[in-house]
Amino acid sequence: KNEVEQSPQNLTAQEGEFITINCSYSVGISALHWLQQHPGGGIVSLFMLSSGKKKHGRLIATINIQEKHSSLHITASHPRDSAVYICAVSPPRTSGSRLTFGEGTQLTVNP
Amino acid sequence: DGGITQSPKYLFRKEGQNVTLSCEQNLNHDAMYWYRQDPGQGLRLIYYSQIVNDFQKGDIAEGYSVSREKKESFPLTVTSAQKNPTAFYLCASRRQGDTEAFFGQGTRLTVV
Repeated sequence: KNEVEQSPQNLTAQEGEFITINCSYSVGISALHWLQQHPGGGIVSLFMLSSGKKKHGRLIATINIQEKHSSLHITASHPRDSAVYICAVSPPRTSGSRLTFGEGTQLTVNP
Repeated sequence: DGGITQSPKYLFRKEGQNVTLSCEQNLNHDAMYWYRQDPGQGLRLIYYSQIVNDFQKGDIAEGYSVSREKKESFPLTVTSAQKNPTAFYLCASRRQGDTEAFFGQGTRLTVV
């Protein structure tokens, strides 16, 4: 079982739909990251969370530390949101420094 | 502006040749990482370094080598011993004890 698991693996939506991508983790963390990877490979950091909720434009990220779960929401989705969304966790400050990534969610938004 | 830079974005090499991927950061970060991504798979850790002149193997280090002679640079060499070198390679960095990580844009290596 992976330490970081995302669902769904693939998601197809129509333009305008509300989208949710989930991330569950089984290890202690100091922070969780949501990343976006476009075709061609470039990766952009969307959010870093250690508690609560963050919002940036149409993107919202939440984290529940007790349940070890985070969600990424996209409101009013658009075809340009089509990308792979990756969840990654940073270990606690007192332990090793390696990041752990989920396998990613491929999102396709159709016009 | 501070950041982490990988170069080149696309790289083509002939089978049997060693190739070195560059990763430079001007963020004064202590820890640097190299990850590999294959189609349909998550990022897997190749090597990481927490301090200059020291580095540790990740989950898939075979066929790769690294060096950390300077704090700002962590080059990755894909050797001819790596059986399937064609992949997307991502470099990341983090200040020791800090939670925020920074990511490069990645290098897509194709070996023909």
